[in-house]
This record gives sequence, C-alpha cells and structure tokens, in this order.
Amino acid sequence: EAGVAQSPRYKIIEKRQSVAFWCNPISGHATLYWYQQILGQGPKLLIQFQNNGVVDDSQLPKDRFSAERLKGVDSTLKIQPAKLEDSAVYLCASSLVQGSKDTQYFGPGTRLTVL
Amino acid sequence: AQSVTQLGSHVSVSEGALVLLRCNYSSSVPPYLFWYVQYPNQGLQLLLKYTSAATLVKGINGFEAEFKKSETSFHLTKPSAHMSDAAEYFCAVRSYSGGGADGLTFGKGTHLIIQP
Repeated sequence: EAGVAQSPRYKIIEKRQSVAFWCNPISGHATLYWYQQILGQGPKLLIQFQNNGVVDDSQLPKDRFSAERLKGVDSTLKIQPAKLEDSAVYLCASSLVQGSKDTQYFGPGTRLTVL
Repeated sequence: AQSVTQLGSHVSVSEGALVLLRCNYSSSVPPYLFWYVQYPNQGLQLLLKYTSAATLVKGINGFEAEFKKSETSFHLTKPSAHMSDAAEYFCAVRSYSGGGADGLTFGKGTHLIIQP
C-alpha cells in the first residue's frame, strides 16, 4: 500500500514570495490534515479536511495561508506572501475515517526555507 | 483544551539499557494517546496508541507504554536500547469532543541518543 505522498520535498524562497505544497493521501482515506513543524517543536495542526470540506481551520493563519481539497483526494497548501517565521516542515497526514481511534499516517513532509 | 508535556528534550542511554521517555497530558475529556517516532528527514511513524482498551499498550520495535489516568501519564519504555532507536519521539493526544475535529496535539519531542 502506497503511503502519503508530498511534493516538493524541499523548497527555498525569499520572503514575500508565494509557495504551494501538494499532498496525495493514502487511497480511500477520507480525512486529511496539514501540520506545521517548526525546528525543535512538535507538529501543530493547521487544517483538517473531511472529504472536500473543512472540519477545523482554527489554527490556520488565514491572512496568508490557504488550503483546498477540491475533489476530496489531493490537497494543496499555499502561503502568500511568505514570512521568515514560516520556515518549517509542512506535514500532510491522512486517516481512513474520522474519529479518535483511527491512526493518522504521515507523509515525509516538505521542508520550507524562507530567506 | 488539551496539551502534552514531554519531560527532557534529550535523553541519552547506553546500548542495551532501559529506555524511558516521559509524557504527561492534559485533557478535558477521556483522551486517546499516541507515540510517534521521527527519523531524520522522514515523516512520523506510529509506534503505539492507547484507545481506552488495555492500559498497557505494546507497539512496534519492542516499545510499550502504560496509560495511568491518576498520574495523567503515558510514558514510553523499551527494555533494551538498540543503536537504531536513535531518533526523535513525539507523544500526542487526541480528544474527540464532537464536531468532527480530531487533529493531534503534540508534545515538543524527546531526542533519544544511544551511546555505544
């Protein structure tokens, strides 16, 4: 079974530029999450989708971050414009169903460096 | 609100020695608890999870953890450390209180160092 795929793996941009990350969850997984992991910290949830609807985006900085999952499968996370403090690893995760017992499977992440 | 505290940002043990990584949680509803491991430049891999069944949970690679409600703890242990256990370990809590939101809240992580 293929895991969660993310691209690109690495991205370097200058502040005020835009950037987009792509995630393909495990086949059949209805729930998709984006996390931000700043160096030396644990991941922090940014947004959760159930199929193509947003369930929780309470921690997403909506003035610069946006995400979509139009067909309920792949998802993109965008930052526009980027700030220095956005330098982090962006992790995508998916789970088969919604619910606390279900395991979240993580992708390898996209490491963003903002100069 | 929920939170996780991992005591010790770095833990160093000798190869063959006991591994003990500490995790305490705070949750307003009965929690589900998880331990993940992260190797350099990789995503997170689930080691084990507590979902209100047995309080002693066995996971992969010889790890286990015990849920203690009275101490609000979920410490991770392994009887004998291997060099391949060197990695970053994260404890996480998920409290499902309705509405569908069930993202994980992670601790800051513990870097496990194995001395030869």
